[in-house]
Amino acid sequence: DAGVTQSPTHLIKTRGQHVTLRCSPISGHKSVSWYQQVLGQGPQFIFQYYEKEERGRGNFPDRFSARQFPNYSSELNVNALLLGDSALYLCASRHRTGGIMSYNEQFFGPGTRLTVL
Amino acid sequence: SQQGEEDPQALSIQEGENATMNCSYKTSINNLQWYRQNSGRGLVHLILIRSNEREKHSGRLRVTLDTSKKSSSLLITASRAADTASYFCATDAQGAQKLVFGQGTRLTINP
Repeated sequence: DAGVTQSPTHLIKTRGQHVTLRCSPISGHKSVSWYQQVLGQGPQFIFQYYEKEERGRGNFPDRFSARQFPNYSSELNVNALLLGDSALYLCASRHRTGGIMSYNEQFFGPGTRLTVL
Repeated sequence: SQQGEEDPQALSIQEGENATMNCSYKTSINNLQWYRQNSGRGLVHLILIRSNEREKHSGRLRVTLDTSKKSSSLLITASRAADTASYFCATDAQGAQKLVFGQGTRLTINP
């Protein structure tokens, strides 16, 4: 079975540009989350989507947005790129969204390495 | 901000030795998960321990969880060169829709 896939693998942009990152979850998984990992740090939560609705949002500016499609794939959009947006962007999928007692493992894709010059 | 603190930040041991990494967190959790990351690539899920469990094993991995101290440890026995990676703990907090990661432990296994 295919795991979580992300595209592109690498991306170089300049300040002020816009970027769209794509993620396809594991088949049957309805929840997709996005994380940003700056070099040398642990991943930071950006968004979670479940059944095409936003279910959680991290402490990121409005320049960051996302959406989930009927096939449960997802896009992360970042506008007006800053140098500080350079990072590895990770997508994760899980079978269902977390509830009061959520035991679902999250499975991560290989990430998209974004470099902003 | 990150919830977890991992200790040590870096660990270097000889092949065959055991490696122990610790993680502390701040809030009540549903479960705690450990991940491995090789050279800035994607995260590989290693093991999940639920809040009502105290110890869990998977192959050469042993994870403990002490919810009273809000801490967890990951033990890798009989380490191999291929275990060289960064290891992260991540908590799945009650009512949250996200994993909160620590800063990670960079493990180096010397041949």
